[in-house]
Order: sequence, then C-alpha cells, then structure tokens
Amino acid sequence: DIQMTQSPSAMSASVGDRVTITCRASQDISNYLAWFQQKPGKVPNRLIYKASSLQRGVPSRFSGSGSGTEFTLTISSLQPEDFATYYCLQHNSYPYTFGQGTKLEIK
Amino acid sequence: EVQLVESGGGLVQPGGSLRLSCAASGFTFSDYFMDWVRQAPGKGLEWVGRVRNKGHSYTTEYAASVKGRFTISRDDLKNSLSLQMNSLKTEDTAVYYCTRPADSSASGDNWGQGTLVTVSS
Repeated sequence: DIQMTQSPSAMSASVGDRVTITCRASQDISNYLAWFQQKPGKVPNRLIYKASSLQRGVPSRFSGSGSGTEFTLTISSLQPEDFATYYCLQHNSYPYTFGQGTKLEIK
Repeated sequence: EVQLVESGGGLVQPGGSLRLSCAASGFTFSDYFMDWVRQAPGKGLEWVGRVRNKGHSYTTEYAASVKGRFTISRDDLKNSLSLQMNSLKTEDTAVYYCTRPADSSASGDNWGQGTLVTVSS
C-alpha cells in the first residue's frame, strides 16, 4: 500500500499568515492527489484535485502543487474560517490512502 | 441536489456483524463508482473501499484492514449502496461515510453525514 505522510501533524498560525502543509507519498503517484478540509463535526470538503486544480467554489487563497512523491497545500493568507484539519488523499492506486491529517489551530 | 443518507449504525459486540446502507438521490446512481470512508473517534480519515458501476462489472476494492471481512455491494434499481461488515473488531469503531468520489473529475465529490458504528462488549 502507498503510505502518505503529512507534515506537520499540527501547527498554530495567525490570521493573515501564509501556511504550507506537505504530503509525501511512499512511491510515485503522479498527480493523483487531492486535499480535503474538515471542520469539527462536519464532513470533509475537497479543496484541490489533480494536485493543483482548485475545486469550484473554493477560495483562491488555497493552492496545491507537486507531483511524484512530494506535494504541498498552501493557504496564502489565513482567514478565521480556515482553522480546521487538512488531509491529503492519493488515488493513484488501490487501496486509496489518506495522510494522517494536519490540524491547523489559531495562534 | 445530491443526497447520500446512511443508516444501520449502532452498537455491536466484537465478532459480530452489521450491515450499513446508503440511500442515494439527486443523480444517476448507476453511472457512478461509490466508496465508503470511515473515521474513528478523534482520528483521521480511512478509505474503506469502492464498488464500481455496471460498466466495470461491479468490481470492488478494499483497504487491507477490512479485506475479507467487509463486502461492498450496490442495488442500482433501488439507488442503494451497502456495506456488510463481519467479524467486527473494536478498531472498526468509527463513523462510516458513504461517498460519491470524484477522483480526477472537476465535478466535486459528495459525502453523506455518516453513521456511527461502535464495536464493544
């Protein structure tokens, strides 16, 4: 199975900060990677697909990059509603696997 | 509007069985692959498995942690997805989500609200 390792596992930041979350795959997954945001008590919401394509309706402050084994999710200027947990998902090969999550908290 | 509504969760003893259902509406269910994803209390997301559509012979895929114990099936006439869970373990305790995945499609995915399965003696 492909292992997805996110870093950091948790972080704190302030409104207006630029934040980057990294996801590393244990083998080449091309660009078959998505990023999800999950707020407490809510279902996950897909932000990015194909590593760098912004889901319709998602604010442009979110962006994704990378291919192969290393990927990043960047939030250019944190807003109060962005404090949540973020997950990457590889869908290059079965079984699909999520990263362990990155909890983004208010500093 | 796409709606996915799970049912069938509850308390079951270790070694027991449970069947979850997901009622789908608002889209042509038979056209789509469907997934189950779970989330243990306070933990991260885990992909459980997939059933493909008729065009792909209703074939299935599973996570290693559930392979041989869980079975995903669908009834396209009833727009329904099922997850049969056997030989349940305490580590199967989680909220189980029915999803219509998007993979590389721009169309976006859809999730149900989830149903809680608790495996405990």
